[in-house]
Amino acid sequence: DAGITQSPRHKVTETGTPVTLRCHQTENHRYMYWYRQDPGHGLRLIHYSYGVKDTDKGEVSDGYSVSRSKTEDFLLTLESATSSQTSVYFCAISERSLSGANVLTFGAGSRLTVL
Amino acid sequence: AQTVTQSQPEMSVQEAETVTLSCTYDTSENNYYLFWYKQPPSRQMILVIRQEAYKQQNATENRFSVNFQKAAKSFSLKISDSQLGDTAMYFCASGPSRDQFYFGTGTSLTVIP
Repeated sequence: DAGITQSPRHKVTETGTPVTLRCHQTENHRYMYWYRQDPGHGLRLIHYSYGVKDTDKGEVSDGYSVSRSKTEDFLLTLESATSSQTSVYFCAISERSLSGANVLTFGAGSRLTVL
Repeated sequence: AQTVTQSQPEMSVQEAETVTLSCTYDTSENNYYLFWYKQPPSRQMILVIRQEAYKQQNATENRFSVNFQKAAKSFSLKISDSQLGDTAMYFCASGPSRDQFYFGTGTSLTVIP
């Protein structure tokens, strides 16, 4: 996960509390993504960003919000955590180029447990 | 939205043998990419191989190769000379489509000594 770090790596919280996960990149990539991974579902897109202050919803965005005030940081917030949001969260970055990079590079993941 | 389907939740292979993981996808894009990612027990997502849809030649990376059938929207991964370190979850993915990448549900591969 060179160039991309997630924090915290592990968190246990209680239902109803707010939680923020941070993704930081040093690659200056334009695109940043938040996925959640659950058994039997693979990786599902929560939100993504295509530039500073430019974000859009993914497949499973309900209950989540994001912010991107700087190119290098993409924050995922659970305003009021629920047990259904217990999951492993992955941040990923990507860039578009004619040479065809178009590859998702992932962070190490953040395991969130909501009690 | 695009869909990516991996119909084999679990597979096993003897060490040194060859195994093929299946993946089908659906897209309306004319230009797109297909990927196989490996997730070992460490949880890190590692890119195994990438295929550009406009290239007819199948991609290869050492022991890993793909069989890309564009008309059938099929993208299988062949692992030759399987090693114990190949034991992992494997995810097929496609994109970008409207800036998004789509993943299958994964195939858990176990290499048996």
